[in-house]
This record gives sequence, structure tokens and C-alpha cells, in this order.
Amino acid sequence: KNEVEQSPQNLTAQEGEFITINCSYSVGISALHWLQQHPGGGIVSLFMLSSGKKKHGRLIATINIQEKHSSLHITASHPRDSAVYICAVRFSITSNFGNEKLTFGTGTRLTIIP
Amino acid sequence: DAGITQSPRHKVTETGTPVTLRCHQTENHRYMYWYRQDPGHGLRLIHYSYGVKDTDKGEVSDGYSVSRSKTEDFLLTLESATSSQTSVYFCAISQGFDQPQHFGDGTRLSIL
Repeated sequence: KNEVEQSPQNLTAQEGEFITINCSYSVGISALHWLQQHPGGGIVSLFMLSSGKKKHGRLIATINIQEKHSSLHITASHPRDSAVYICAVRFSITSNFGNEKLTFGTGTRLTIIP
Repeated sequence: DAGITQSPRHKVTETGTPVTLRCHQTENHRYMYWYRQDPGHGLRLIHYSYGVKDTDKGEVSDGYSVSRSKTEDFLLTLESATSSQTSVYFCAISQGFDQPQHFGDGTRLSIL
């Protein structure tokens, strides 16, 4: 069982569309990360959050601690946003999973068509 | 971009041979990590280090060993490579365990 679930696994959209990628997790966390993996393979950290919302350019990340759910939104999507988006969590110190390590979802592959 | 260099970037070798991957950082970050990435799985932690000579196992540590004799270098060794260790390996660094991780460009390793 994967403690971190992402949906959808694959998403194709037209340029300009509003994109939402979801991440849910099973137990309490200390922090949640969103990362982007480019088609060439490089991985970049986008956000780290433990509550509320963060925004950077056209990217917005939200988290609902009570519902154990986070979303990554992309406004005015562009072909250069095509990538795999990865959610990762650091479980809380009271969990059985250890809180010094990240547990990763399997990623959402986003393709933006011009 | 964080100064992280992985070497080699690509390697093909035979079953049973030893393999060492190197991660070098210029950021003086305390934490260093080795992950493997395989289709259908998220990134999985192999080993990590929280200081010179301080290392701990991750979820997929069997068949791997690590060493960190200097802050800037974290080595991953496959003592006797198997085909199941064919994967893409990523090194990451962070200032603390509760800080964002910065990733290297990855090493594509094929064990034939």
C-alpha cells in the first residue's frame, strides 16, 4: 500500500487550461513537498508546506491537514509546464514511518498541448 | 541551482561486478540522500547521511552500502551488482531533514 497517492496518473490538457493535481496521504504529516521532474530527468523542488497555501508565479499549492489532502494548481498552463509532478510527505514524529525521511508518490505526468 | 554533481551519469556493467556512484556537493549541506527511481514506484530512499561518518538505512537498502568521509562526498556502492539494481539513481542534499531537498541530475545504471 502506498502511503502517498497522487491523481490523476496522467493528464493531458490544452494550453491555457487551469490544471489541478491531487495528493492524498494516510497519516499525519509534518510537511508536504511538491517537486517537478523535467522530461530530461532533472528534479526541482517547487514547494514545501505544512498548512494553508503557497504561490509562486502561475503555481499554487494548497494543503488541508484535516482531510490529509493537497493540490497543486497551474494557471494559464503552457507547454513548458509539461513534466512529471511529484508529491512527497514527511510523516509526523508520532507516526510509525519516521519523520527524518520523505515518502514519495508515483507522480502525475502532465502534457500541455499547444 | 544547488551545486550537486553525480558521477558517472551513465554506466553499463555486468552482474556480479562492484559499482560505486559518487555524489559531490559544494553547498556544505549536512544531509545527503541516495534514491532510486523505477517505473511504477515513487522515488525510494536507499541510504542517507546526516553528517560525516553518520549514515542510516532507507527502505530499499539491501545490496547497497554508503560512505561519507567528507562533508562534500557521499558514495553509494553496489558490492555485487544484480539486474534488479538497474535503475536511475538520484542524489539529493538538504540543510536539515525538515528543509527542501535539492537533487542531482541522476545516474542511469544498467546491469546486464
